[in-house]
Amino acid sequence: KQEVTQIPAALSVPEGENLVLNCSFTDSAIYNLQWFRQDPGKGLTSLLLIQSSQREQTSGRLNASLDKSSGRSTLYIAASQPGDSATYLCAETGGAGGFKTIFGAGTRLFVKA
Amino acid sequence: NAGVTQTPKFQVLKTGQSMTLQCAQDMNHNSMYWYRQDPGMGLRLIYYSASEGTTDKGEVPNGYNVSRLNKREFSLRLESAAPSQTSVYFCASTRTALEKLFFGSGTQLSVL
Repeated sequence: KQEVTQIPAALSVPEGENLVLNCSFTDSAIYNLQWFRQDPGKGLTSLLLIQSSQREQTSGRLNASLDKSSGRSTLYIAASQPGDSATYLCAETGGAGGFKTIFGAGTRLFVKA
Repeated sequence: NAGVTQTPKFQVLKTGQSMTLQCAQDMNHNSMYWYRQDPGMGLRLIYYSASEGTTDKGEVPNGYNVSRLNKREFSLRLESAAPSQTSVYFCASTRTALEKLFFGSGTQLSVL
């Protein structure tokens, strides 16, 4: 069964700090992993998608990595800003789930000015 | 520039009432999804449609039905609403299951 776990559930950091959000998944037949951002009361916005053949993807201050062998992905945010405050969710699409996309519960990030 | 459009944005129902949530996308995507989001539980897949003419159950399909009306539209129906169906519902679409998911802004549903 596909399962996706995110730790920690919540994180508070001072502005300017570099931080890492963690995601683990159980599907050994993963096709891709996505990281999303969700602001309160809003829908989800895709930040980065890593195909199973890739090791990492970068967009601006964001870098996502994928390690299939350990079933882990990380989202690195450099030089955090108050505007980065949001909930970050990872989601895995894989063969075990018949191409379904399964989400973790998310990490709520608060960046203090 | 609409993307994925969901209606309504808010709805209050009484137990036992029925309703249909509408979703439409204008990106010519093949796959469409319905998720529900509850506090602390992330998003759970209710139903999905990998392509026009097909639908399949997700993790939590009980109490729901779906219709892929055409390539653009995918509706979710609650036949007899229950308080346990109080949630925020999101529709999403993607060109293929291996590409980025695009989400609508959600429907907040309360069942009293």
